[in-house]
Amino acid sequence: EAGVTQFPSHSVIEKGQTVTLRCDPISGHDNLYWYRRVMGKEIKFLLHFVKESKQDESGMPNNRFLAERTGGTYSTLKVQPAELEDSGVYFCASSPLPETGRRGYTFGSGTRLTVV
Amino acid sequence: GQNIDQPTEMTATEGAIVQINCTYQTSGFNGLFWYQQHAGEAPTFLSYNVLDGLEEKGRFSSFLSRSKGYSYLLLKELQMKDSASYLCAVRERYSGYALNFGKGTSLLVTP
Repeated sequence: EAGVTQFPSHSVIEKGQTVTLRCDPISGHDNLYWYRRVMGKEIKFLLHFVKESKQDESGMPNNRFLAERTGGTYSTLKVQPAELEDSGVYFCASSPLPETGRRGYTFGSGTRLTVV
Repeated sequence: GQNIDQPTEMTATEGAIVQINCTYQTSGFNGLFWYQQHAGEAPTFLSYNVLDGLEEKGRFSSFLSRSKGYSYLLLKELQMKDSASYLCAVRERYSGYALNFGKGTSLLVTP
């Protein structure tokens, strides 16, 4: 089974620009999550999709971040306009429904975003 | 919210046993996860505990005490490839499926 794929693996953009990160979850996984790790801090939850619906977006930092999951397959996370503090590694994870925990959540390798 | 604490760094010798502790505070515990992460790679699921006790999976075991807000990950017969960051993550009953992570423990296995 293919894993969770994230693109790009690295992105360097200037402050004020727009960046779009993409996540392809494991096929058939209805749950999709976005997380972020800022340097020196723990991995933090951003939001959770169930199929195409936003189930929980309590972790989104502000309205410069927009996540979509049209059709309930892949997801995009857009940052517009990017600020310096947005730099970090953005992880995507997916899990099947129902979520029992026994199989864990499968993470992608992340997108390392650097805003200069 | 919750605090999840784990040691920042640990060092152990190849072939030895190491225990990585994790303490947490939560208002509605709904599961604890351990992940392994090598630099630049995806966190990889190791174990899940929701009831008290020990879960064993090959060289890795994880223990949970809900009353003490405490878990540990036990790695036996350490190998060089076990050098990685080990992440403790807790899920709360009232926060859906979101995981709350500790900062991770960087384990170095030496020859």
